[in-house]
Amino acid sequence: LAKTTQPISMDSYEGQEVNITCSHNNIATNDYITWYQQFPSQGPRFIIQGYKTKVTNEVASLFIPADRKSSTLSLPRVSLSDTAVYYCLVLGNQGGKLIFGQGTELSVKP
Amino acid sequence: DTEVTQTPKHLVMGMTNKKSLKCEQHMGHRAMYWYKQKAKKPPELMFVYSYEKLSINESVPSRFSPECPNSSLLNLHLHALQPEDSALYLCASSQVGPKGEETQYFGPGTRLLVL
Repeated sequence: LAKTTQPISMDSYEGQEVNITCSHNNIATNDYITWYQQFPSQGPRFIIQGYKTKVTNEVASLFIPADRKSSTLSLPRVSLSDTAVYYCLVLGNQGGKLIFGQGTELSVKP
Repeated sequence: DTEVTQTPKHLVMGMTNKKSLKCEQHMGHRAMYWYKQKAKKPPELMFVYSYEKLSINESVPSRFSPECPNSSLLNLHLHALQPEDSALYLCASSQVGPKGEETQYFGPGTRLLVL
């Protein structure tokens, strides 16, 4: 199972772009990279998932370099409501065994 | 629709009580999961059900007993719990996409307090 490493915490201000980088050096060929957002006392919410290059949806972008050993979640123009913990996970055909790392606690200030 | 529902939202129980947590999804997902999350910690996998059969038990104590009555429902039966079992219990279900990518969707959780 690929282990992920993320910064423990990050601070930002409203309106800024936030980039959270995750390293996953032993990612397997069939692993996908998935990011979740979690607010206190709520379940993790799926944000975005990708395999390589760039993926974009209505809330975020995910950048994955060619070697796939890292990925960067980009949140454009954050607001106070984006204050949360963000988890990066890699998951392949492993029977659903999601292993969460410590996540990144993002604090957005006014 | 990617909704997983969990009941109850909150539960307080004594160490001699028997209670159950319920989880439901109507997305046709064939895999369902229970996670436990302590405060300020990441979720920890407890059980995985695949096609209504238990496929992974992460060495969870027997006072936690999972049950999958059908493909849409997942229960977690609780008996003789300890105060250290107080946590947020999360249910999830997953689908496999056309390229083999798996995505798990989580419910809102049940906040359990054991007195």
